[in-house]
Amino acid sequence: DGGITQSPKYLFRKEGQNVTLSCEQNLNHDAMYWYRQDPGQGLRLIYYSQIVNDFQKGDIAEGYSVSREKKESFPLTVTSAQKNPTAFYLCASSETGKYSNQPQHFGDGTRLSIL
Amino acid sequence: DAKTTQPPSMDCAEGRAANLPCNHSTISGNEYVYWYRQIHSQGPQYIIHGLKNNETNEMASLIITEDRKSSTLILPHATLRDTAVYYCISRDMRFGAGTRLTVKP
Repeated sequence: DGGITQSPKYLFRKEGQNVTLSCEQNLNHDAMYWYRQDPGQGLRLIYYSQIVNDFQKGDIAEGYSVSREKKESFPLTVTSAQKNPTAFYLCASSETGKYSNQPQHFGDGTRLSIL
Repeated sequence: DAKTTQPPSMDCAEGRAANLPCNHSTISGNEYVYWYRQIHSQGPQYIIHGLKNNETNEMASLIITEDRKSSTLILPHATLRDTAVYYCISRDMRFGAGTRLTVKP
Protein backbone atom coordinates (compact mmCIF):
# COMPACT_ATOMS: atom_id res chain seq x y z
CA ASP A 1 0.00 0.00 0.00
CA GLY A 2 1.17 3.53 -0.67
CA GLY A 3 1.82 5.72 2.30
CA ILE A 4 4.23 7.30 4.72
CA THR A 5 6.27 5.26 7.15
CA GLN A 6 7.77 6.78 10.25
CA SER A 7 10.06 4.76 12.41
CA PRO A 8 10.41 3.99 15.17
CA LYS A 9 7.04 4.63 16.83
CA TYR A 10 8.69 5.28 20.19
CA LEU A 11 12.24 6.52 20.73
CA PHE A 12 14.19 7.10 23.90
CA ARG A 13 17.51 8.91 24.07
CA LYS A 14 19.75 10.31 26.73
CA GLU A 15 20.04 14.05 27.14
CA GLY A 16 22.80 15.55 24.98
CA GLN A 17 22.64 12.91 22.26
CA ASN A 18 21.61 13.58 18.69
CA VAL A 19 18.81 11.38 17.38
CA THR A 20 17.52 10.86 13.84
CA LEU A 21 13.87 10.16 13.02
CA SER A 22 13.10 8.34 9.81
CA CYS A 23 10.40 9.25 7.29
CA GLU A 24 9.89 7.33 4.05
CA GLN A 25 7.12 7.73 1.46
CA ASN A 26 6.22 5.67 -1.60
CA LEU A 27 3.60 8.08 -2.92
CA ASN A 28 6.02 9.69 -5.39
CA HIS A 29 5.36 13.06 -3.75
CA ASP A 30 7.79 15.92 -4.30
CA ALA A 31 7.09 17.78 -1.06
CA MET A 32 7.74 16.54 2.46
CA TYR A 33 7.26 18.14 5.88
CA TRP A 34 8.15 17.71 9.54
CA TYR A 35 5.92 18.88 12.37
CA ARG A 36 6.23 18.82 16.12
CA GLN A 37 3.25 18.40 18.45
CA ASP A 38 3.27 18.97 22.20
CA PRO A 39 0.51 17.63 24.47
CA GLY A 40 -2.81 19.41 23.91
CA GLN A 41 -1.33 21.63 21.22
CA GLY A 42 -1.58 21.89 17.46
CA LEU A 43 1.16 21.00 14.99
CA ARG A 44 4.11 23.32 14.48
CA LEU A 45 6.13 23.25 11.28
CA ILE A 46 9.83 22.44 11.71
CA TYR A 47 11.14 22.04 8.16
CA TYR A 48 9.76 21.36 4.72
CA SER A 49 11.18 20.35 1.36
CA GLN A 50 9.55 21.03 -1.99
CA ILE A 51 12.07 19.05 -4.01
CA VAL A 52 15.13 16.83 -3.65
CA ASN A 53 18.25 18.60 -2.35
CA ASP A 54 16.26 21.62 -1.21
CA PHE A 55 14.55 22.44 2.08
CA GLN A 56 13.35 25.46 4.06
CA LYS A 57 13.00 26.25 7.74
CA GLY A 58 9.58 26.33 9.27
CA ASP A 59 8.55 28.14 12.44
CA ILE A 60 10.63 26.17 14.96
CA ALA A 61 13.74 24.95 13.10
CA GLU A 62 16.26 25.77 15.82
CA GLY A 63 17.89 22.63 17.20
CA TYR A 64 16.80 20.49 14.25
CA SER A 65 18.40 19.53 10.93
CA VAL A 66 17.15 17.69 7.85
CA SER A 67 18.40 16.31 4.56
CA ARG A 68 16.63 15.46 1.33
CA GLU A 69 19.01 13.37 -0.74
CA LYS A 70 16.28 11.11 -2.12
CA LYS A 71 12.72 11.88 -3.15
CA GLU A 72 11.25 9.23 -0.89
CA SER A 73 13.21 10.04 2.26
CA PHE A 74 13.28 13.08 4.58
CA PRO A 75 15.07 12.26 7.86
CA LEU A 76 14.95 14.67 10.81
CA THR A 77 17.81 14.98 13.28
CA VAL A 78 17.05 16.32 16.72
CA THR A 79 20.33 17.77 17.93
CA SER A 80 21.57 18.35 21.44
CA ALA A 81 20.93 22.07 20.85
CA GLN A 82 17.17 21.48 20.98
CA LYS A 83 16.23 22.59 24.50
CA ASN A 84 13.07 20.54 24.95
CA PRO A 85 13.00 17.72 22.41
CA THR A 86 10.43 15.48 24.09
CA ALA A 87 7.40 15.61 21.77
CA PHE A 88 5.36 13.82 19.12
CA TYR A 89 6.93 14.22 15.66
CA LEU A 90 4.87 13.94 12.49
CA CYS A 91 6.04 13.64 8.90
CA ALA A 92 3.85 14.47 5.90
CA SER A 93 4.09 14.58 2.12
CA SER A 94 2.14 16.10 -0.73
CA GLU A 95 2.19 16.53 -4.46
CA THR A 96 3.54 19.90 -5.40
CA GLY A 97 3.88 22.18 -8.33
CA LYS A 98 2.83 25.69 -9.11
CA TYR A 99 -0.88 24.91 -9.45
CA SER A 100 -1.09 21.92 -7.16
CA ASN A 101 -3.78 21.96 -4.52
CA GLN A 102 -3.30 18.46 -3.24
CA PRO A 103 -3.55 17.78 0.51
CA GLN A 104 -0.88 16.44 2.81
CA HIS A 105 -0.68 12.80 3.80
CA PHE A 106 0.64 12.08 7.28
CA GLY A 107 2.55 9.26 8.89
CA ASP A 108 1.63 7.81 12.27
CA GLY A 109 4.31 9.76 14.11
CA THR A 110 7.29 9.10 16.34
CA ARG A 111 7.07 9.83 20.04
CA LEU A 112 10.48 10.98 21.29
CA SER A 113 11.33 10.97 24.96
CA ILE A 114 14.57 12.29 26.38
CA LEU A 115 15.68 10.54 29.54
CA ASP B 1 -1.03 33.31 3.67
CA ALA B 2 -4.30 33.14 5.57
CA LYS B 3 -4.60 32.65 9.30
CA THR B 4 -7.48 30.40 10.39
CA THR B 5 -9.42 30.54 13.66
CA GLN B 6 -11.65 27.83 15.12
CA PRO B 7 -13.61 27.37 18.36
CA PRO B 8 -11.62 25.30 20.87
CA SER B 9 -14.32 22.71 21.50
CA MET B 10 -17.77 21.53 20.47
CA ASP B 11 -20.16 18.76 21.45
CA CYS B 12 -22.54 16.86 19.20
CA ALA B 13 -25.13 14.16 19.82
CA GLU B 14 -24.57 10.83 18.12
CA GLY B 15 -26.55 10.59 14.88
CA ARG B 16 -26.91 14.33 14.52
CA ALA B 17 -25.03 16.58 12.13
CA ALA B 18 -21.83 18.15 13.42
CA ASN B 19 -21.14 21.61 12.00
CA LEU B 20 -17.60 22.84 12.60
CA PRO B 21 -16.89 26.49 11.70
CA CYS B 22 -13.64 28.08 10.58
CA ASN B 23 -12.83 31.73 9.95
CA HIS B 24 -10.21 32.59 7.34
CA SER B 25 -10.93 36.23 6.65
CA THR B 26 -7.49 36.95 5.16
CA ILE B 27 -7.53 34.13 2.65
CA SER B 28 -6.46 35.08 -0.86
CA GLY B 29 -8.33 34.25 -4.02
CA ASN B 30 -6.31 31.21 -4.99
CA GLU B 31 -5.85 29.63 -1.56
CA TYR B 32 -7.65 26.41 -0.82
CA VAL B 33 -9.10 25.55 2.58
CA TYR B 34 -8.20 22.09 3.91
CA TRP B 35 -9.75 20.11 6.74
CA TYR B 36 -8.03 17.35 8.69
CA ARG B 37 -8.82 15.49 11.87
CA GLN B 38 -6.60 13.87 14.44
CA ILE B 39 -7.55 11.08 16.76
CA HIS B 40 -5.42 10.83 19.86
CA SER B 41 -1.81 9.78 19.23
CA GLN B 42 -2.27 9.29 15.49
CA GLY B 43 -1.25 11.35 12.48
CA PRO B 44 -3.82 13.80 11.08
CA GLN B 45 -6.23 12.36 8.53
CA TYR B 46 -7.22 14.39 5.48
CA ILE B 47 -10.98 14.97 5.21
CA ILE B 48 -11.77 17.41 2.43
CA HIS B 49 -10.64 20.63 0.74
CA GLY B 50 -12.15 23.33 -1.42
CA LEU B 51 -11.61 26.69 -3.09
CA LYS B 52 -14.97 28.40 -3.52
CA ASN B 53 -17.55 25.81 -4.44
CA ASN B 54 -19.14 23.56 -1.87
CA GLU B 55 -17.59 20.11 -1.80
CA THR B 56 -18.82 16.71 -0.67
CA ASN B 57 -17.15 13.35 -0.32
CA GLU B 58 -17.83 10.13 1.54
CA MET B 59 -16.66 11.61 4.83
CA ALA B 60 -18.06 15.13 4.94
CA SER B 61 -19.33 18.25 3.23
CA LEU B 62 -17.55 21.58 3.06
CA ILE B 63 -19.54 24.78 2.76
CA ILE B 64 -17.55 27.90 1.86
CA THR B 65 -19.18 31.32 2.09
CA GLU B 66 -19.43 33.37 -1.06
CA ASP B 67 -16.89 35.90 0.24
CA ARG B 68 -14.61 32.98 1.22
CA LYS B 69 -13.99 34.43 4.66
CA SER B 70 -15.33 31.39 6.46
CA SER B 71 -16.26 27.78 5.94
CA THR B 72 -18.11 24.99 7.73
CA LEU B 73 -17.27 21.33 7.81
CA ILE B 74 -20.36 19.16 8.11
CA LEU B 75 -20.35 15.58 9.35
CA PRO B 76 -23.92 14.60 8.43
CA HIS B 77 -24.47 11.77 10.92
CA ALA B 78 -21.84 11.95 13.63
CA THR B 79 -20.75 8.74 15.31
CA LEU B 80 -18.69 8.18 18.45
CA ARG B 81 -15.71 7.45 16.22
CA ASP B 82 -15.85 11.00 14.88
CA THR B 83 -14.64 12.27 18.26
CA ALA B 84 -11.34 13.96 17.37
CA VAL B 85 -9.56 17.30 16.96
CA TYR B 86 -10.51 18.94 13.66
CA TYR B 87 -8.12 21.33 11.93
CA CYS B 88 -8.89 23.91 9.26
CA ILE B 89 -5.78 25.16 7.43
CA SER B 90 -4.81 27.06 4.32
CA ARG B 91 -1.81 26.95 2.03
CA ASP B 92 0.64 28.02 4.73
CA MET B 93 0.49 24.55 6.29
CA ARG B 94 0.15 26.03 9.78
CA PHE B 95 -2.08 24.01 12.09
CA GLY B 96 -3.56 25.88 15.03
CA ALA B 97 -5.09 24.19 18.07
CA GLY B 98 -8.15 23.10 16.09
CA THR B 99 -11.60 22.22 17.44
CA ARG B 100 -12.00 19.30 19.79
CA LEU B 101 -15.28 17.63 18.77
CA THR B 102 -16.85 15.29 21.27
CA VAL B 103 -19.69 13.11 20.00
CA LYS B 104 -21.91 12.00 22.87
CA PRO B 105 -24.27 9.02 22.97
